[in-house]
Amino acid sequence: NAGVTQTPKFQVLKTGQSMTLQCAQDMNHNSMYWYRQDPGMGLRLIYYSASEGTTDKGEVPNGYNVSRLNKREFSLRLESAAPSQTSVYFCASSKNVDEQYFGPGTRLTVT
Amino acid sequence: KQEVTQIPAALSVPEGENLVLNCSFTDSAIYNLQWFRQDPGKGLTSLLLIQSSQREQTSGRLNASLDKSSGRSTLYIAASQPGDSATYLCAAQNQAGTALIFGKGTTLSVSS
Repeated sequence: NAGVTQTPKFQVLKTGQSMTLQCAQDMNHNSMYWYRQDPGMGLRLIYYSASEGTTDKGEVPNGYNVSRLNKREFSLRLESAAPSQTSVYFCASSKNVDEQYFGPGTRLTVT
Repeated sequence: KQEVTQIPAALSVPEGENLVLNCSFTDSAIYNLQWFRQDPGKGLTSLLLIQSSQREQTSGRLNASLDKSSGRSTLYIAASQPGDSATYLCAAQNQAGTALIFGKGTTLSVSS
């Protein structure tokens, strides 16, 4: 099993550009999550999907959209990137009552 | 609103020492608590998960305890090694299938 995979690993964007971060899991998990990690702020939830077909906002959803494409895939879209969105983005998944497993992260810089 | 705090932010110990990392949370009605390890520039590796009905979990040299009434969890590392150097994060989950609320971590350095 690959676990949780994320693409790309690194990305540099200019202000105003758009992009989609991809996440996939092969563990047949129901729930998937997007977090961002910033120095001094820790990890904060952007959006999550408790099950296929549902999505909910987390602590810091502004400037982002998500799509739960199917049970395996959960994507995060930045429509118009801003320097404040420079961060490391982590995708995670879980069977509802079990521990969360994290992907390797995407390091995004917005200039 | 759940808040998770980890003190100290950094800890340095010599190899072989037993140590305890602390995690406190404000809402005792947690569903579970999870400890992670993060190496520089890497993702999070799950170490231990403690369900709300449990008091502790063990994996090798690691032992995590949970005291809901006092809002505290500890991660005990026995016989520390340089390879244990990393940032350790604790995270509380209030309901099944919902987000983890993370502390800011304790960065551990074990010197040989």
